[in-house]
Amino acid sequence: ILNVEQSPQSLHVQEGDSTNFTCSFPSSNFYALHWYRWETAKSPEALFVMTLNGDEKKKGRISATLNTKEGYSYLYIKGSQPEDSATYLCASARAGSYQLTFGKGTKLSVIP
Amino acid sequence: ETGVTQTPRHLVMGMTNKKSLKCEQHLGHNAMYWYKQSAKKPLELMFVYSLEERVENNSVPSRFSPECPNSSHLFLHLHTLQPEDSALYLCASSQATPAANYGYTFGSGTRLTVV
Repeated sequence: ILNVEQSPQSLHVQEGDSTNFTCSFPSSNFYALHWYRWETAKSPEALFVMTLNGDEKKKGRISATLNTKEGYSYLYIKGSQPEDSATYLCASARAGSYQLTFGKGTKLSVIP
Repeated sequence: ETGVTQTPRHLVMGMTNKKSLKCEQHLGHNAMYWYKQSAKKPLELMFVYSLEERVENNSVPSRFSPECPNSSHLFLHLHTLQPEDSALYLCASSQATPAANYGYTFGSGTRLTVV
């Protein structure tokens, strides 16, 4: 994998449902994986930065896991709420580079 | 407010105009970035400044010219742009470089339309 790929591209869930998205990234020269939440008309907001294989991080109802050997990360949202509606971006950083390479994002819509 | 302020929020310019985008951060961060988001594309890094020095060479047309006069301010000077340069331009800052272990703090962006 040369680019950062996210799936699905968009997702509609009912309020109260739990959901998850996938981020695939190049595993060679991996340094860190970032997750951001981007609400419409606002700035992208950092959720997690993960560096170690097997890392798990949690922030309220949102959690993320990291597998650096196979090059993927999952973002989980438990009991989705309308305020979770946003585009979720992941980005990877490679060793020795200043650059974060972003995926296109997963757009989540939570239906009340 | 995130602590990273971008002005203007919206800009419409003709292809022969010269304009500048401004970004300001008061977070004490050492690195600042310009990213571009075009429709249906991921965020693309344009320029990185670390401690006021430009680092990394991304292929960006010379009609985009960055300037970082100090660690709190970053400019993007625009001249003779093309309609395909219409996009959202985001500024970001981070505590240290490389930015890998530190999340970026983003501004709200400038929505640029080239006519």
